[in-house]
Amino acid sequence: GQNIDQPTEMTATEGAIVQINCTYQTSGFNGLFWYQQHAGEAPTFLSYNVLDGLEEKGRFSSFLSRSKGYSYLLLKELQMKDSASYLCAVRGINTGGFKTIFGAGTRLFVKA
Amino acid sequence: DSGVTQTPKHLITATGQRVTLRCSPRSGDLSVYWYQQSLDQGLQFLIQYYNGEERAKGNILERFSAQQFPDLHSELNLSSLELGDSALYFCASSAIPSGGKSYGGNTGELFFGEGSRLTVL
Repeated sequence: GQNIDQPTEMTATEGAIVQINCTYQTSGFNGLFWYQQHAGEAPTFLSYNVLDGLEEKGRFSSFLSRSKGYSYLLLKELQMKDSASYLCAVRGINTGGFKTIFGAGTRLFVKA
Repeated sequence: DSGVTQTPKHLITATGQRVTLRCSPRSGDLSVYWYQQSLDQGLQFLIQYYNGEERAKGNILERFSAQQFPDLHSELNLSSLELGDSALYFCASSAIPSGGKSYGGNTGELFFGEGSRLTVL
């Protein structure tokens, strides 16, 4: 089966850097995603890793280590609007289909 | 705007009733996924369809069923509703993943609709 763990909540200060960790177990690994979800809204795609290493995209970076089943999302120059839930998701290939399983999410509070 | 359309946005019904949620995927996307998100809970994968065929299944209850039609829109049917079925139901669509930019392809990330909020009284 698939299992994803990430911290429930984090708090950081505006302008700072925060790292949200995610560990996972899966079979048929086909990529790891990070999504952002504001309360009551749909998740939106932030980043994708399928190979080991760091992917950078503006203020957001994501890292993957497949051997360790580990990823992190790094948010730099935090802004108040970054207060949201961050969802780690793993896609697995399963008998002809792609099953993307989400972690419970990390609720990030950015304070002034 | 993700390009994924879900209707209705809100639905209030009683226990024991049956409802149908509708989803139109992004133009060109053949894959449709359904997720359930209860209050303060994570996204629970229900089911995936590709070009009209069921391809992957999660912890979908027997009271729930889904299908994808030839025009690629999908419907999620929820029957014998219980209080615990109250949740936000998201539909998502994606293109076929092809490795992401590392391979010169796309990631197959999910594009979510705005969700259908179901309240069972």
